[in-house]
Amino acid sequence: QVTLKESGPGILQPSQTLSLTCSFSGFSLSTSGICVSWIRQPSGKGLEWLATICWEDSKGYNPSLKNRLTISKDTSNNQAFLKITSVDTADTAIYYCARSTMMVGVMDAWGQGASVTVSS
Amino acid sequence: ETTVTQSPASLSMAVGEKVSISCKTSTDIDDDMNWYQQKSGEAPKLLISEGNTLRPGVPSRFSSSGYGTDFVFTINNVLLGDEGIYYCQQSDNVPFTFGSGTKLEIK
Repeated sequence: QVTLKESGPGILQPSQTLSLTCSFSGFSLSTSGICVSWIRQPSGKGLEWLATICWEDSKGYNPSLKNRLTISKDTSNNQAFLKITSVDTADTAIYYCARSTMMVGVMDAWGQGASVTVSS
Repeated sequence: ETTVTQSPASLSMAVGEKVSISCKTSTDIDDDMNWYQQKSGEAPKLLISEGNTLRPGVPSRFSSSGYGTDFVFTINNVLLGDEGIYYCQQSDNVPFTFGSGTKLEIK
């Protein structure tokens, strides 16, 4: 059974760095063809792809967030991470991690999402 | 960046009717279009993946068609449990981009 679960700080202040963790089971990020992505959704709005990391450590980022994003993984502990620097209120959203299998942009299993609020 | 234009923004259908949702892309993406369903308070769920491929366990009432820049998602014989928001998403190129969503209400 494939499961993913996001965790994060819940609330943080503008200009801080947001650190998110995706803990998963039922698959390995060392298996050929496996990737994990981060997607976010502001309340009542649509979905925005943020970043993807794959089994061979290739990475892709959404250029709209310029150089604020860093994605990484810990294969031995079945975790993936996302850092977003210099957050502001526009980064308030539910953050999801999702798995892809063979087709890097096709997200076939999702976590329940972690709510993040940026507020002073 | 490929822009995905989804329509309509909302639909109100009766049980048993046929639903059609359109997505148009600003670049040719072959058949690299995916469709997701998001029910209230839940994460999105992949229904159809690249090549108009129905995912395991998804009822055959759901289908899609299209290639290049024009795509259509269809639900035949819509049920009350199909209420939610439906998103298209292109996986041809980075950044992967989503349509704005179609909210489906069942009367």
